[in-house]
Amino acid sequence: DAKTTQPNSMESNEEEPVHLPCNHSTISGTDYIHWYRQLPSQGPEYVIHGLTSNVNNRMASLAIAEDRKSSTLILHRATLRDAAVYYCILRDRQTGANNLFFGTGTRLTVIP
Amino acid sequence: EPEVTQTPSHQVTQMGQEVILRCVPISNHLYFYWYRQILGQKVEFLVSFYNNEISEKSEIFDDQFSVERPDGSNFTLKIRSTKLEDSAMYFCASSGLLAHTLGNEQFFGPGTRLTVL
Repeated sequence: DAKTTQPNSMESNEEEPVHLPCNHSTISGTDYIHWYRQLPSQGPEYVIHGLTSNVNNRMASLAIAEDRKSSTLILHRATLRDAAVYYCILRDRQTGANNLFFGTGTRLTVIP
Repeated sequence: EPEVTQTPSHQVTQMGQEVILRCVPISNHLYFYWYRQILGQKVEFLVSFYNNEISEKSEIFDDQFSVERPDGSNFTLKIRSTKLEDSAMYFCASSGLLAHTLGNEQFFGPGTRLTVL
């Protein structure tokens, strides 16, 4: 799987938007961009994924750069429950491989 | 909402003992996985399982490890002779669709904390 680069940590004030960046300059044309998060003392949790177009769901939005070499996970209003480690993961849709390769992610701290 | 469950939540064992960690994946899912997370470290893939056989495994998943789906609901991870370095949080996950289809997210259980003394 292609490599992703994320900041180690970020802070946000509660109820403000959060933009979590991810660089994936070696992304291939068949890679999906997935985001998972891991709340304290819990298993990872799927957040969102996309291929080329921006995506929205009830949890977050995913903005994908036109060249696909970077993406941004957007939490529109951070809550204390959003404090977690956020992982940006590339998955090749052609190989059929299902396993996820987690990096170190971005630890998001939400300040009340 | 359906969820993946794991038992026990915490397992303490002596070095050299066998342990079996149990998981009940989401009922209509086809793919099953084990991951582990040593305290303070990354989540690491161990093995994936599909159609009653291992589809992929990592270098961590050596001969001491085995997986089984003994019935229609349970998915187990066995460590034959535990070592101190096996102490970690073990997560089971399941997914319903092939990797190249939409909606192929993995659903993780809450984990089993394994402590090897």
